Amino acid sequence: EAQVTQNPRYLITVTGKKLTVTCSQNMNHEYMSWYRQDPGLGLRQIYYSMNVEVTDKGDVPEGYKVSRKEKRNFPLILESPSPNQTSLYFCASSRRADSYEQYFGPGTRLTVT
Amino acid sequence: EDQVTQSPEALRLQEGESSSLNCSYTVSGLRGLFWYRQDPGKGPEFLFTLYSAGEEKEKERLKATLTKKESFLHITAPKPEDSATYLCAVQASGAQKLVFGQGTRLTINP
Repeated sequence: EAQVTQNPRYLITVTGKKLTVTCSQNMNHEYMSWYRQDPGLGLRQIYYSMNVEVTDKGDVPEGYKVSRKEKRNFPLILESPSPNQTSLYFCASSRRADSYEQYFGPGTRLTVT
Repeated sequence: EDQVTQSPEALRLQEGESSSLNCSYTVSGLRGLFWYRQDPGKGPEFLFTLYSAGEEKEKERLKATLTKKESFLHITAPKPEDSATYLCAVQASGAQKLVFGQGTRLTINP
């Protein structure tokens, strides 16, 4: 089944404790992206990757890191999480950067206390 | 700055009562406008892409239309399973990202 998977689905952590949210797609897509979704603010892009080893900042990259060492994986790293990073996070992928039929993962709900 | 505004924020309809959702946008050259459906606790699900004014796309009870300033998502004779949040997004020419609106939360009562 074609899908985007994220882990963990739920995470409660404390300020400053490094964490990684994994994202994997099995569709051989070139383009991958991370979003956060907050009430009243909608979906905002954090980082995106047009292909392996090619990443770029979205609208809200501060406090996040990403890497794209393999085509299928695009982990999101929070080196020192803060409470304002409490949010619902989505990973998405599409066949190419100019093909925006994006497939979204199920989401990761992160709470930073 | 590219911007997307959706209205209304929430809409409650009776089963079978047709209506429309609005997506107004300002963008420096539109490459594409996208509609997604999002169910509670799930990721957005792609519905339509529209590329130029006058274009229309249909899927079951949904029809999306596009003008130079806005898009409408028409829902004909909706059913309770059409209840969801509907998201609109735009991609500007030369851009590599989508800009999303805040969504319209649609509730269909049986």
